[in-house]
Amino acid sequence: GQQLNQSPQSMFIQEGEDVSMNCTSSSIFNTWLWYKQDPGEGPVLLIALYKAGELTSNGRLTAQFGITRKDSFLNISASIPSDVGIYFCAGQRTGNQFYFGTGTSLTVIP
Amino acid sequence: DSGVTQTPKHLITATGQRVTLRCSPRSGDLSVYWYQQSLDQGLQFLIQYYNGEERAKGNILERFSAQQFPDLHSELNLSSLELGDSALYFCASSVLSGTYNEQFFGPGTRLTVL
Repeated sequence: GQQLNQSPQSMFIQEGEDVSMNCTSSSIFNTWLWYKQDPGEGPVLLIALYKAGELTSNGRLTAQFGITRKDSFLNISASIPSDVGIYFCAGQRTGNQFYFGTGTSLTVIP
Repeated sequence: DSGVTQTPKHLITATGQRVTLRCSPRSGDLSVYWYQQSLDQGLQFLIQYYNGEERAKGNILERFSAQQFPDLHSELNLSSLELGDSALYFCASSVLSGTYNEQFFGPGTRLTVL
């Protein structure tokens, strides 16, 4: 099935640094979601975006719904060790299945 | 806690066997999704149900089937199991009405086929 292109695939950063990752698609979506998954656990919803151009924050996390509706990015400011995990983007067209990105693995070095 | 429950949490079985995974969606959610996640892999969409009806099909093998019951809980049946079916299986649920269609995941069932 269709998958979103998510980059980078992995990141190794120092604690305190900012992180940026993005997701692109050839299709238009009405909803963009960002999830974090810890090993062996289910993905946890971080941020949901519903309008093109929308910029939404959740603590140190900020995500934007691209103006073309074909992309989204997630920023994490001042990273801390508990930010470690795999981050997934997901896009949805109304009423239909969600399409997931391939994931960005984040490692934070104390 | 997302409000989505899955049972069992762990399942160990042998090749050729059949198992059933169960999912209860969040209260009020009408749509249920099933995903497979193999080691170090992304989430592979298997199938979606909405209010008891199949809505979308992804990379689901013919040996696998699912259904959603009138009380909206769902079951994923995996038969003739193979070693390669070992994976985490996640259920997610969503309201799927109006604008706000966030998808919430359960804790997963870890299936090990020996």
